[in-house]
Amino acid sequence: EPEVTQTPSHQVTQMGQEVILRCVPISNHLYFYWYRQILGQKVEFLVSFYNNEISEKSEIFDDQFSVERPDGSNFTLKIRSTKLEDSAMYFCASSEGPFGRDFRDYTFGSGTRLTVV
Amino acid sequence: DAKTTQPPSMDCAEGRAANLPCNHSTISGNEYVYWYRQIHSQGPQYIIHGLKNNETNEMASLIITEDRKSSTLILPHATLRDTAVYYCIVGLRGNKLVFGAGTILRVKS
Repeated sequence: EPEVTQTPSHQVTQMGQEVILRCVPISNHLYFYWYRQILGQKVEFLVSFYNNEISEKSEIFDDQFSVERPDGSNFTLKIRSTKLEDSAMYFCASSEGPFGRDFRDYTFGSGTRLTVV
Repeated sequence: DAKTTQPPSMDCAEGRAANLPCNHSTISGNEYVYWYRQIHSQGPQYIIHGLKNNETNEMASLIITEDRKSSTLILPHATLRDTAVYYCIVGLRGNKLVFGAGTILRVKS
């Protein structure tokens, strides 16, 4: 079964440092997403990306965040200057198309646990 | 957007059916009901979705009431590996999923 792959599984970084979280979406998918989950809290949407541009972003996704599809397979989330409150699980997801009846392909990766110290 | 209400937690004996309820009284006519689960901080996993009719797949069944104001996810023979947080999501905002707190299902031997 196709998977969304995220690396690394756990990253520890110093406050103020830049981090890049990496994702390899499912190969025929065209829509890409990042979500995050602070420990003990809900899964929150960050951003969606299609056709090499952001299609939607949440209030959380401020100027410290950016996304990129640097090549045909990777999708990255960059946090420019990490804060303690950025510590969370970050999930990448992808889907073949926009939502419709055939919804089952909206697939999440296993996540990257980011710890900012 | 429709809001959902789920019990915070439920217990189920291994091998028995787990019935997870969800209220969505403000659902509109074209909004689907989606169920996801999250096992121990892994990524959310799609389970099933439906509009009006009951649905069944290899993982679960989804029963939607005739007025569509509530639904029940049924895991017919729960196993210990089904212990997870189960999310009922109604409608979509763009292409994003909006997760609530969900129901913590504990399957016990």
